[in-house]
Amino acid sequence: SQQGEEDPQALSIQEGENATMNCSYKTSINNLQWYRQNSGRGLVHLILIRSNEREKHSGRLRVTLDTSKKSSSLLITASRAADTASYFCAANFGNEKLTFGTGTRLTIIP
Amino acid sequence: GAVVSQHPSWVICKSGTSVKIECRSLDFQATTMFWYRQFPKQSLMLMATSNEGSKATYEQGVEKDKFLINHASLTLSTLTVTSAHPEDSSFYICSASKSSGATEQFFGPGTRLTVL
Repeated sequence: SQQGEEDPQALSIQEGENATMNCSYKTSINNLQWYRQNSGRGLVHLILIRSNEREKHSGRLRVTLDTSKKSSSLLITASRAADTASYFCAANFGNEKLTFGTGTRLTIIP
Repeated sequence: GAVVSQHPSWVICKSGTSVKIECRSLDFQATTMFWYRQFPKQSLMLMATSNEGSKATYEQGVEKDKFLINHASLTLSTLTVTSAHPEDSSFYICSASKSSGATEQFFGPGTRLTVL
């Protein structure tokens, strides 16, 4: 299976703290994407990082990619209660499909 | 924008009945649409990929006769769960891409299916 692994599976932090989630994959990627899913809802696209990129920012989000370690991380700075959600990485291996990681359930404690 | 809708948002049916779920791209033409299922607190698993006007490509382990996919136009794909059973209860999510080979997908809000 190419399904990526994410850790931690669950993370609870105080509002205002930073949250870091990690994603690992097994084979070479074309790009890696991060998505957010609120409970019982669809997915919201956050960031896409290509295999030749090492870091990308979007607002309070920072994504890094280490292709030598086949891993990526998502950092959310200055967390807010509204950031409570599940976060998934999704790897694109060169075709049109996405393979999703196992997800991290993030809880921000007000 | 790139908005994808699904209908219904939730459905409850009796075992043995068939259920149709619609996925529509509202403001763009979707060359390719994807169907995923997600069990509680688990990840999304791709079921099939459909291209307008051609047969869907199913992932290994997904029964094509049970999960019928029709992609009749560039804005509509349907998933029909035939002879549904309680183990088919799940969250079904569709996504769409704007062009063939595009790697960005736009996701619908999902459909919660409960089979009694």
